[in-house]
Amino acid sequence: DGGITQSPKYLFRKEGQNVTLSCEQNLNHDAMYWYRQDPGQGLRLIYYSQIVNDFQKGDIAEGYSVSREKKESFPLTVTSAQKNPTAFYLCASTRWGRTEAFFGQGTRLTVV
Amino acid sequence: AQSVTQPDIHITVSEGASLELRCNYSYGATPYLFWYVQSPGQGLQLLLKYFSGDTLVQGIKGFEAEFKRSQSSFNLRKPSVHWSDAAEYFCAVWANNAGNMLTFGGGTRLMVKP
Repeated sequence: DGGITQSPKYLFRKEGQNVTLSCEQNLNHDAMYWYRQDPGQGLRLIYYSQIVNDFQKGDIAEGYSVSREKKESFPLTVTSAQKNPTAFYLCASTRWGRTEAFFGQGTRLTVV
Repeated sequence: AQSVTQPDIHITVSEGASLELRCNYSYGATPYLFWYVQSPGQGLQLLLKYFSGDTLVQGIKGFEAEFKRSQSSFNLRKPSVHWSDAAEYFCAVWANNAGNMLTFGGGTRLMVKP
C-alpha cells in the first residue's frame, strides 16, 4: 500500500546533539512538508519542498535543516541551534497542485 | 497571508448529540478547504474537502461541512456523535498566493461524554 513512513516513532536526544528524522513516501508525490506540532498550537510549517533538490523555509525554519536528494525522501535534521526541539513532528506529501495532503504517523522527539 | 481560526480549543458533547466545529478563514478569494482528524499520537486523516461546486460536502465517518462564502466559514458537523469521534480536529486552507502549502487552524479537541 502507498503511504508515508516516518521513523523512528519515538526519539530521544541529548542537548547539543543533532538528530535526523526520516520521512519516506511511495505515493509518487511531488511536494513534501515538515510540520511541528506543540500542544494547543496546531501545526506549524518548518520546511517544504516542491521538487527534488529544492526546498523553502516555512514559518519556523530556524534550527532545522532539510535535504531533498530523491523524490521519495525528505529527511529533517534538528540541530543543536533549535532552542526547544521537544515536539511532535509530522511529515506530509501532496501531488502537484492544491490537493489534499497525506500525513505520516509522526515522530515524537524528546530532548533529555 | 491567509489564516485559519478555530475559535473553540475544547468542546465536550454527549454521545448521540449533534456536533458543530467552527472554522473561519481569512483570504480574498475562494480557497481550497479541508478538515482533518487526529487521534492521540497519530498522523492526520482527511475527513473532507471543498474545492468548488456544492457548498455542502460529505466526508467520511458521517461528517459533513458547509462552505459559507459570506461568513468566510467552513464549519464541520455531525448529527450524532460516537465515542470513537473523540480526537483533535483541524481545519486547513490552501490559497492561490501561498505557494504549494497548507495553513492549519489551531485545532479543536473534542471530548465525548458517555
